[in-house]
Amino acid sequence: GENVEQHPSTLSVQEGDSAVIKCTYSDSASNYFPWYKQELGKRPQLIIDIRSNVGEKKDQRIAVTLNKTAKHFSLHITETQPEDSAVYFCAATLNFGNEKLTFGTGTRLTIIP
Amino acid sequence: DTGVSQNPRHKITKRGQNVTFRCDPISEHNRLYWYRQTLGQGPEFLTYFQNEAQLEKSRLLSDRFSAERPKGSFSTLEIQRTEQGDSAMYLCASSLATSGEEQYFGPGTRLTVT
Repeated sequence: GENVEQHPSTLSVQEGDSAVIKCTYSDSASNYFPWYKQELGKRPQLIIDIRSNVGEKKDQRIAVTLNKTAKHFSLHITETQPEDSAVYFCAATLNFGNEKLTFGTGTRLTIIP
Repeated sequence: DTGVSQNPRHKITKRGQNVTFRCDPISEHNRLYWYRQTLGQGPEFLTYFQNEAQLEKSRLLSDRFSAERPKGSFSTLEIQRTEQGDSAMYLCASSLATSGEEQYFGPGTRLTVT
């Protein structure tokens, strides 16, 4: 089955700097890669996703890149703000999301004011 | 609130007791997923339904766990003879299985087994 590894487990950046979180996956058939943000005590919420036929996707300060050959994908947050502090999870799945998600172990991002 | 809802939000039970959780998905969503999340970990898949059909169960799901979605709307997850290792957040998610759709998560049910 699919296995997703995520690094780093914790990340602290100064407000205004950029943050990068990296994930690798094992199943070359996976074709949908969402990123979820989970604030303390709250539900995971999708912040951005990417399909395997796309190499990069941007949404304002957030971007995701995908390297299918190397089987890794990354989340980039620019101009970080205190409200970006949360735990971020990457995930991978088959069938463009119509299957179970396999999650990484999470990255706790702390933005230092 | 038209999102995914779960009840109860918190459940404390003694080891050996049975518990049942309920998930109400977004009304038009035909796919419903159950995940379990322990502290400091990502959610782990347990099982999922398309309408009333249970399509996949994780090997994590022992025979003490059973899930149903009898009318293709809400779902229940029952844990029999609870163990301390069952303590976790149980998350439900729903989606519309067309060409690939976001899975929307509920707030979860936090289970504590004493």
